Amino acid sequence: EAGVAQSPRYKIIEKRQSVAFWCNPISGHATLYWYQQILGQGPKLLIQFQNNGVVDDSQLPKDRFSAERLKGVDSTLKIQPAKLEDSAVYLCASSLLPGTTNTEAFFGQGTRLTVV
Amino acid sequence: AQKITQTQPGMFVQEKEAVTLDCTYDTSDPSYGLFWYKQPSSGEMIFLIYQGSYDQQNATEGRYSLNFQKARKSANLVISASQLGDSAMYFCAMSLNQAGTALIFGKGTTLSVSS
Repeated sequence: EAGVAQSPRYKIIEKRQSVAFWCNPISGHATLYWYQQILGQGPKLLIQFQNNGVVDDSQLPKDRFSAERLKGVDSTLKIQPAKLEDSAVYLCASSLLPGTTNTEAFFGQGTRLTVV
Repeated sequence: AQKITQTQPGMFVQEKEAVTLDCTYDTSDPSYGLFWYKQPSSGEMIFLIYQGSYDQQNATEGRYSLNFQKARKSANLVISASQLGDSAMYFCAMSLNQAGTALIFGKGTTLSVSS
């Protein structure tokens, strides 16, 4: 079974530029998550999709971050314009369907973003 | 509010010794799950072990065991016979029995295993 695919693995941009990350979840997984992990901290949820609808985007800085999951499969996370504090690893994860406690999330390898 | 607390920023252990990584949680929901993930320097999050709030026995997976003390709201990870490859960041996380709830993570503990 193929895992969660993310690209690119690394990205360096200047502040005020824009950047996009792509994620393809495990086939059949209805739920997709984007997490932001700042160095030395645990992952923080940015947005959660169930199929192609948004379940939770309460922690997404909507003035600069946007995400979509067209057709309920792969997803794109965009930052425009980027700030220095956006430097982090952006992790994509997927799970079958939350709502039970043992719904494990499977993670991609992440995209390490450096904003200079 | 739901919260995971990991109070050990770093732990050091020698090969073949056992180590315990601490995790406490806070939730008012009676139904929840607790996970431990390992994150090596390469960045991927690797699932290690799961414990449900109604599980009577502590979870075990190979060299990993979860010391679940419900009354104390703790879910410590025990790694037996540490190996050099265990050096990584370890995260405790919680899920709730509610549709649409994502995992909540702690800040993590860095484990360093020396020979």
